Amino acid sequence: QLQLQESGPGLVKPSETLSLTCTVSGGSISSSNYFWVWIRQPPGKGLEWIGSIYYSGNTYYNPSLKSRVTISVDTSKNQFSLKLSSVTAADTAVYYCAREHIDYWFDPWGQGTLVTVSS
Amino acid sequence: QSALTQPPSASGSLGQSVTISCTGTSSDVGYYNYVSWYQQHPGKAPKLMIYEVDKRPSGVPDRFSGSKSGNTASLTVSGLQAEDEADYYCSSYAGRNKGVFGTGTKVTVL
Repeated sequence: QLQLQESGPGLVKPSETLSLTCTVSGGSISSSNYFWVWIRQPPGKGLEWIGSIYYSGNTYYNPSLKSRVTISVDTSKNQFSLKLSSVTAADTAVYYCAREHIDYWFDPWGQGTLVTVSS
Repeated sequence: QSALTQPPSASGSLGQSVTISCTGTSSDVGYYNYVSWYQQHPGKAPKLMIYEVDKRPSGVPDRFSGSKSGNTASLTVSGLQAEDEADYYCSSYAGRNKGVFGTGTKVTVL
């Protein structure tokens, strides 16, 4: 079955760039009808859609984060990545990667990775 | 894009039912039949429970059902079980870069 796994540093300094990678196993990232998405959840708070990418490279970003977000895909490695620049403490969150159906539902999800922004 | 509005908490006794509302606008919940619901236990990733308003993925018990009326979607959990105690989030499509989640509801099984 399809599985997703996030990886990357758990601690990032303020003003630096947060970088995470999601590795997809058990299926191809080049599947039609699906996007690949990043979603985050600050401690004790709700979910926030960050952005998504199609295997062709088309990207869609949350307007509130668009100026700082870059999502890319590497189909040869079956991976997609997130870069969030100029981070502050407000970007501290559990970051999830997931598969997004074109009809906007998310399944499955990775286990999530906590990224803390602190000096 | 503002978050969809959910009640902070809801509760029901074992075996009873609980219904959670998710209120949006005519630009998201009211316009698209692309509402989904997620269950999240503490420290775990969210799990898809309902998609496209009222469809259940395989493996999700039929105790979980979804509906929509106007700008408000609802998730009903019938025959509450202890393992249903969790946070629940709704989500709605509002355009390719305008997806939005609900504020979340903590369900307590009494």
